[in-house]
Amino acid sequence: EVQLVESGGGLVQPGGSLRLSCAASGFTFSSYWMHWVRQAPGKGLVWVSRINSDGSSTSYADSVKGRFTISRDNAKNTLYLQMNSLRAEDTAVYYCARDRLELRDWGQGTLVTVSS
Amino acid sequence: DIQMTQSPSSLSASVGDRVTITCRASQGISNSLAWYQQKPGKAPKLLLYAASRLESGVPSRFSGSGSGTDYTLTISSLQPEDFATYYCQQYYSTPPYTFGQGTKLEIK
Repeated sequence: EVQLVESGGGLVQPGGSLRLSCAASGFTFSSYWMHWVRQAPGKGLVWVSRINSDGSSTSYADSVKGRFTISRDNAKNTLYLQMNSLRAEDTAVYYCARDRLELRDWGQGTLVTVSS
Repeated sequence: DIQMTQSPSSLSASVGDRVTITCRASQGISNSLAWYQQKPGKAPKLLLYAASRLESGVPSRFSGSGSGTDYTLTISSLQPEDFATYYCQQYYSTPPYTFGQGTKLEIK
């Protein structure tokens, strides 16, 4: 069974940093592209970033480019999202998701709240 | 960037009804479209991909169709567990992987 478990969310002040993790199991992690998608309270889904299977290629939404960094450790079956210079508008549940095009499997999400 | 517009934004229907949700892309996306279902407090769930291919384990009352810029998700006979929010997502031209704004399906 595919499992994706996010962690690392919490309350952070504007301008602060946070690193999210997504622990993967039940599939060959190193073979799959991975994504981060976020959802602000009461709002829709917004794609944030993706990384290819070996970590050599990444892409970002314009709203996070230059502030967020996606990475992965295939030896630890873990996906990361380093979030710097956080803003109030980054407040959201952050989901990790698996696969290259359609997002076939999702974690349960971790809540990031940016507030003073 | 390709924009995705869903309609309606909300919809009230009864158990047993046939329901259709539409997703329009700002340019042709060659069936590179997925549909997701999300229930409150839960992660999204993939229902269909490539516009009309049913994900494994998804009931056959869900179907998808369309071409070019216009796509539809149809639920042939609503069940109580189908009341949720539905999103379309294009993956024809990425990044970004654009989602529609969502359609909330409520019980009448």
